[in-house]
Amino acid sequence: RKEVEQDPGPFNVPEGATVAFNCTYSNSASQSFFWYRQDCRKEPKLLMSVYSSGNEDGRFTAQLNRASQYISLLIRDSKLSDSATYLCVVRKTSYDKVIFGPGTSLSVIP
Amino acid sequence: NAGVTQTPKFRVLKTGQSMTLLCAQDMNHEYMYWYRQDPGMGLRLIHYSVGEGTTAKGEVPDGYNVSRLKKQNFLLGLESAAPSQTSVYFCASTHSGQATVRAQHFGDGTRLSIL
Repeated sequence: RKEVEQDPGPFNVPEGATVAFNCTYSNSASQSFFWYRQDCRKEPKLLMSVYSSGNEDGRFTAQLNRASQYISLLIRDSKLSDSATYLCVVRKTSYDKVIFGPGTSLSVIP
Repeated sequence: NAGVTQTPKFRVLKTGQSMTLLCAQDMNHEYMYWYRQDPGMGLRLIHYSVGEGTTAKGEVPDGYNVSRLKKQNFLLGLESAAPSQTSVYFCASTHSGQATVRAQHFGDGTRLSIL
């Protein structure tokens, strides 16, 4: 089993739709969680950190469920500019290594 | 403030050739990483460093060596390039701040093709 798994995608949604991505991790001792976005042929960029109580940043909401080892990202009112690959990232406890999920591709269609 | 800079951005090598990829960061970050990204595989950690003079193996270290002689630089070496090392390589760095906000800053990537 991979350490970090994500919905395979791709997700093709119309503008204005709400879309949710799921991510599961296998190491119960993981401490830090992030969502990154990666545009085609570009480097990954931090979208948001994920806090235990859940957090929101504009149209984006991240949730963490430690008991189920599950992270989610909700995007409301999708924009064309949201089209990208979304990477779930988990930091392990030792030496600050991070594990990237394989990513979920999102295409927002006019 | 350039952030994380990778050189070169593109390179084509023949099998058996050697080369070094350079990563430089000007943010005084303690931790630096080298990843490779292949279609359908996501980002995989090759080697990383938690400080000047220290390096450690990641998930896929075979065929690569690294050095961190200066805090701001992290070099990735391919001693004898193989076609399986054709990939996009990303360098990243992070500050040893609070665990919950330790995001990684990435370079633009190096596209390497081995013929």
